[in-house]
Amino acid sequence: DSGVTQTPKHLITATGQRVTLRCSPRSGDLSVYWYQQSLDQGLQFLIQYYNGEERAKGNILERFSAQQFPDLHSELNLSSLELGDSALYFCASSVERETDEQFFGPGTRLTVL
Amino acid sequence: DQQVKQNSPSLSVQEGRISILNCDYTNSMFDYFLWYKKYPAEGPTFLISISSIKDKNEDGRFTVFLNKSAKHLSLHIVPSQPGDSAVYFCAASAVHAGNMLTFGGGTRLMVKP
Repeated sequence: DSGVTQTPKHLITATGQRVTLRCSPRSGDLSVYWYQQSLDQGLQFLIQYYNGEERAKGNILERFSAQQFPDLHSELNLSSLELGDSALYFCASSVERETDEQFFGPGTRLTVL
Repeated sequence: DQQVKQNSPSLSVQEGRISILNCDYTNSMFDYFLWYKKYPAEGPTFLISISSIKDKNEDGRFTVFLNKSAKHLSLHIVPSQPGDSAVYFCAASAVHAGNMLTFGGGTRLMVKP
């Protein structure tokens, strides 16, 4: 158990809908990262927050947004969902803004029908 | 442009023998290289990392070697155990880029009893 929790574990929804994925980092970790794992693209970085502020952006679509709250939990919002958004979404956390090791949660499997 | 590549999608090894997993990268700005292990339906689990200023790091049965001139790293597992069977991801990060992880495509290791 990495100490990072993600909810829900599974999510099934329809095209055009909007969903919110939630992540609670390890106790004391200030940095939260979101990654997407799809069959054809592998594990790809989406976005990073550090202590409530956006720190880095990767291949995140404009339909997707995220935030980190004062209690350090983070939410990833996916809107206008398409079939191609079906993937595993992982959250990871680390102690500092810049450190090598990140601890991953168990992921949320999103299925868009 | 894949900055981190794992050219072997799978590897089969006998229990007790050495497993060698390879990874190549193109970006000379990477500061850290990491190996993660992943079981189905779970998030990646951190195994071992190496700073770009070192050429070897050892932790129990796991050793990572870095050859900067060749932009190549490898993970050695000795002795291999059936419980090591999983997908192994090589990842790299750059401090200046917020330490987001850039992952290779993964290698599925099967350790046969």
